[in-house]
Amino acid sequence: GEDVEQSLFLSVREGDSSVINCTYTDSSSTYLYWYKQEPGAGLQLLTYIFSNMDMKQDQRLTVLLNKKDKHLSLRIADTQTGDSAIYFCAERKGGSYIPTFGRGTSLIVHP
Amino acid sequence: NAGVTQTPKFQVLKTGQSMTLQCAQDMNHNSMYWYRQDPGMGLRLIYYSASEGTTDKGEVPNGYNVSRLNKREFSLRLESAAPSQTSVYFCASTSEEGYTFGSGTRLTVV
Repeated sequence: GEDVEQSLFLSVREGDSSVINCTYTDSSSTYLYWYKQEPGAGLQLLTYIFSNMDMKQDQRLTVLLNKKDKHLSLRIADTQTGDSAIYFCAERKGGSYIPTFGRGTSLIVHP
Repeated sequence: NAGVTQTPKFQVLKTGQSMTLQCAQDMNHNSMYWYRQDPGMGLRLIYYSASEGTTDKGEVPNGYNVSRLNKREFSLRLESAAPSQTSVYFCASTSEEGYTFGSGTRLTVV
């Protein structure tokens, strides 16, 4: 199976919260990342979390890490149409400086 | 603004033609990378350079070559383009906190 897995699509209503989930396989992962890609653009680092943290909050973004289950989530509060994009989860394994990316989750925000 | 600059943004090649994709970063990062992005495939690493003077193969290196010209610049060359190399190519450089990506080169091989 894939090293980093994400669902391909998520559709939410404007104003609701979005939760994008990711699972990874390597328990030695040191950093876990969320990137955002808008149409026609490169990937932009949204946030990251160290493996010794459980949660990180940054304005409307909340990252939760469950190391036992190797599960990472990104919650976007009060989702807006400008949040429509592809969101990539990535892990950086212990002993490597090269992140492994998931295939991305397309977030669609509708009125 | 500091970041990663890629040129060109768009390119159409005929099968068998060659070209070089250019990438430069001004953040003094040691490591630089080339990825390709295809629908449903996510990002796949082509080549990377951990530091000036070194390059290594990634997941999908066949059909490509790279040059780390200096600390700032990392170029990707297609010697004989094939339709299977139609893709969007991203260059990136990295610090501990994560990658900074260029805006991409959309390449079509006909």
